[in-house]
Amino acid sequence: QKEVEQDPGPLSVPEGAIVSLNCTYSNSAFQYFMWYRQYSRKGPELLMYTYSSGNKEDGRFTAQVDKSSKYISLFIRDSQPSDSATYLCAMTTDSWGKFQFGAGTQVVVTP
Amino acid sequence: DVKVTQSSRYLVKRTGEKVFLECVQDMDHENMFWYRQDPGLGLRLIYFSYDVKMKEKGDIPEGYSVSREKKERFSLILESASTNQTSMYLCCVGSYEQYFGPGTRLTVT
Repeated sequence: QKEVEQDPGPLSVPEGAIVSLNCTYSNSAFQYFMWYRQYSRKGPELLMYTYSSGNKEDGRFTAQVDKSSKYISLFIRDSQPSDSATYLCAMTTDSWGKFQFGAGTQVVVTP
Repeated sequence: DVKVTQSSRYLVKRTGEKVFLECVQDMDHENMFWYRQDPGLGLRLIYFSYDVKMKEKGDIPEGYSVSREKKERFSLILESASTNQTSMYLCCVGSYEQYFGPGTRLTVT
């Protein structure tokens, strides 16, 4: 069983809708949680990171961490066609940077 | 602006060739990582380095080696390329905030 599970999608939503993405994990020692966006044939781009539990907001993006349920989420409000990409979650137990990644969810926002 | 560059975007090599993939960063960061990314498998860590001359095996180091002679440069070496090493290779820099290079799509024929 993988340490980090993420539904591969594709997740198709109409423009303007809220995109809801999530990852589950098995290692209760994970403390740092990241979300990346990856466009086709490009490297992943860091969107947000969260330390421990709680919510974090940055513009149209909100990241949530529920450590009791071992579950993290990313919400994208007012989605745009330019949000069409693969979204990767990643997490680690310490700040050294050795992350475990989810396989990524493909998101398609249709005009 | 953070910059992580990789030596090639696309590379085609023959089975048995020695392949060098280079990553250069301008972040002056100690931590550098090499991943490969395959459909359905996500990113898998090959090797990482927390300092010059230092290297540690990741989850899938077999068939690879690395070199870090200078802080800004981390090289991934495929000693004898095989077809199952056809993949997207990504260099990454940082600790809890990590930044990726654009990737090298390697095809081994």
